[in-house]
Amino acid sequence: EVQVVESGGGLVRPGGSLRLSCAASGFTFNSYYMTWVRQSPGKGLEWVASINEDGSDKYYVDSVKGRFTISRDNARESLYLHMNTLRAEDTAVYYCANLVSGYWYFDLWGRGTLVTVSS
Amino acid sequence: SYVLTQPPSVSVAPGQTAKITCGGNKIGSKSVHWYHQKPGRAPVLVVYDDNDRPSGIPERVSGSNSGNTATLTISRVEAGDEADYYCQVWDSSSDHWVFGGGTKLTVL
Repeated sequence: EVQVVESGGGLVRPGGSLRLSCAASGFTFNSYYMTWVRQSPGKGLEWVASINEDGSDKYYVDSVKGRFTISRDNARESLYLHMNTLRAEDTAVYYCANLVSGYWYFDLWGRGTLVTVSS
Repeated sequence: SYVLTQPPSVSVAPGQTAKITCGGNKIGSKSVHWYHQKPGRAPVLVVYDDNDRPSGIPERVSGSNSGNTATLTISRVEAGDEADYYCQVWDSSSDHWVFGGGTKLTVL
């Protein structure tokens, strides 16, 4: 089955860290850019970070630059998001998605994993 | 940074046509993509590259893009079309991907 499945969300205190994972299956993982998109409760979609096929290029929204790190393991067909110095405003459902290069749209989405930053 | 502007809400009666706009500076020069999202669910791609549909999306869903406005059109609206709709582009000047604020489509 063609899918991506996120995991690793949970409750974390402000200033804390968390690592999200995304397991891909059913498509040629190492041929796609991959992306994290988040959605705060009751709000719209926000692009967070993207990584190219071999992990050599990474892109971040300004609000997470220096705090979050996107990475991938093509052998494990997995995507990661390392989140440090978390803030209340990082509270959101985090979605993993593949990115079709050239057109730059998000084709396959996971169900998301909830990150709650609260004391 | 590049900004996409959508109306917060659009309402339409069943069987009528819904038009959801997405405004941006010279958006006609960019490739625009649209997603719908139902409550508690992940977003789903409904139009890519201005007016192409992924498999499984009905022909009554279409897109257009010119000047400073892109438009998603849903003909013969059904109750099942009720969802939030988001436009999205890639901003080459910043290497950032950008979403519009979203439009809630209500079927009356």
